[in-house]
Amino acid sequence: AQSVAQPEDQVNVAEGNPLTVKCTYSVSGNPYLFWYVQYPNRGLQFLLKYITGDNLVKGSYGFEAEFNKSQTSFHLKKPSALVSDSALYFCAVRDSTEGTTDSWGKLQFGAGTQVVVTP
Amino acid sequence: DGGITQSPKYLFRKEGQNVTLSCEQNLNHDAMYWYRQDPGQGLRLIYYSHIVNDFQKGDIAEGYSVSREKKESFPLTVTSAQKNPTAFYLCASSIGLAGMNTGELFFGEGSRLTVL
Repeated sequence: AQSVAQPEDQVNVAEGNPLTVKCTYSVSGNPYLFWYVQYPNRGLQFLLKYITGDNLVKGSYGFEAEFNKSQTSFHLKKPSALVSDSALYFCAVRDSTEGTTDSWGKLQFGAGTQVVVTP
Repeated sequence: DGGITQSPKYLFRKEGQNVTLSCEQNLNHDAMYWYRQDPGQGLRLIYYSHIVNDFQKGDIAEGYSVSREKKESFPLTVTSAQKNPTAFYLCASSIGLAGMNTGELFFGEGSRLTVL
């Protein structure tokens, strides 16, 4: 079974300060990890993913995430937050070793973290 | 432009009525999914389909039905048996089983259903 935890319901940060959104995961095998962002009454937009290779993944809009296997974490980061980064952020995981067609492609999502960036 | 189109954006329903949410994609993706989003609960999988004329129940399928008669289309019907249907519904697709697919999902803009 796979699961994702986003321990913070909301993160508040001032514009220009670093932004971190936390995510931890649990899978039986190797993880495929994703971050998505959602603006009010909109669908989810893909930010970045970790599949294999370099632990630091760079994505859209200046976001990056660091995969830490020992801590089973995949925290999302941005060096300097913008007011326009205020949104709901979702972490998602899939077990790459799941081989059955029944499980393939099904992502497990965290509950989401609301990011509020103040001017 | 390729993408996923959901309609209607907003829908109001009286109790006891069935409603159907449309989802169309022109990405040539094999797999399609329906998720339900409630505040503070993340996304929960309702139904998914990896190929035409085949679909499987997700985690919360009770009170919902789907069909997959065409690759491009995956409509969701919210039936009167769904006890708490007011929610935001998201349709998604992925490339499918072929190729180097890592399971990344592409989402539509969502449909907000309110039961009056």
